[in-house]
Amino acid sequence: SQQGEEDPQALSIQEGENATMNCSYKTSINNLQWYRQNSGRGLVHLILIRSNEREKHSGRLRVTLDTSKKSSSLLITASRAADTASYFCAGFNSGGSNYKLTFGKGTLLTVNP
Amino acid sequence: DVKVTQSSRYLVKRTGEKVFLECVQDMDHENMFWYRQDPGLGLRLIYFSYDVKMKEKGDIPEGYSVSREKKERFSLILESASTNQTSMYLCASRGERATYEQYFGPGTRLTVT
Repeated sequence: SQQGEEDPQALSIQEGENATMNCSYKTSINNLQWYRQNSGRGLVHLILIRSNEREKHSGRLRVTLDTSKKSSSLLITASRAADTASYFCAGFNSGGSNYKLTFGKGTLLTVNP
Repeated sequence: DVKVTQSSRYLVKRTGEKVFLECVQDMDHENMFWYRQDPGLGLRLIYFSYDVKMKEKGDIPEGYSVSREKKERFSLILESASTNQTSMYLCASRGERATYEQYFGPGTRLTVT
């Protein structure tokens, strides 16, 4: 089952612009996490937001969470060519299995120099 | 730094062969996971383990088995490889708390011919 569903599937911007990716999920969560994957590599954790938080910042990243709408957004400010990657959201629900995240299909971000 | 390593980056096997994919983590994590990643389908959980010798099926366990004899090592076994198991396989580990991030290995791209 798909916990996260990212939107858009692909995004192409110019260096210096902001990139916004959205994620919707179906069931209640304890936290929502965003990961990044460079082409052909493993995923790297970016940021985690708990269900009782509405916004979180980490460097050029800003994540929001709206539990009433079951949605989250990831904003990358002042994008760089090195930000080109796929971005995944993943919901964690300890009410179900205690042990797993459920990932969306990802947004492919291309930042053009 | 947490390190999750996978035994091979690229692997080519023939239909019917038995395939072993090995994953090792160095952070004494309780939880370990095997995912496969396919274009358009995102990450799908195959199996996970929350302790030595303990395992649980994920979303797509058919055709796979796992082994966890030591805490740091989690193996994925394809008993009789088939062409529809051609995919990128990602291993991950996570500590005990639900708020912990998952750490991923670099992935193994398996081709079954």
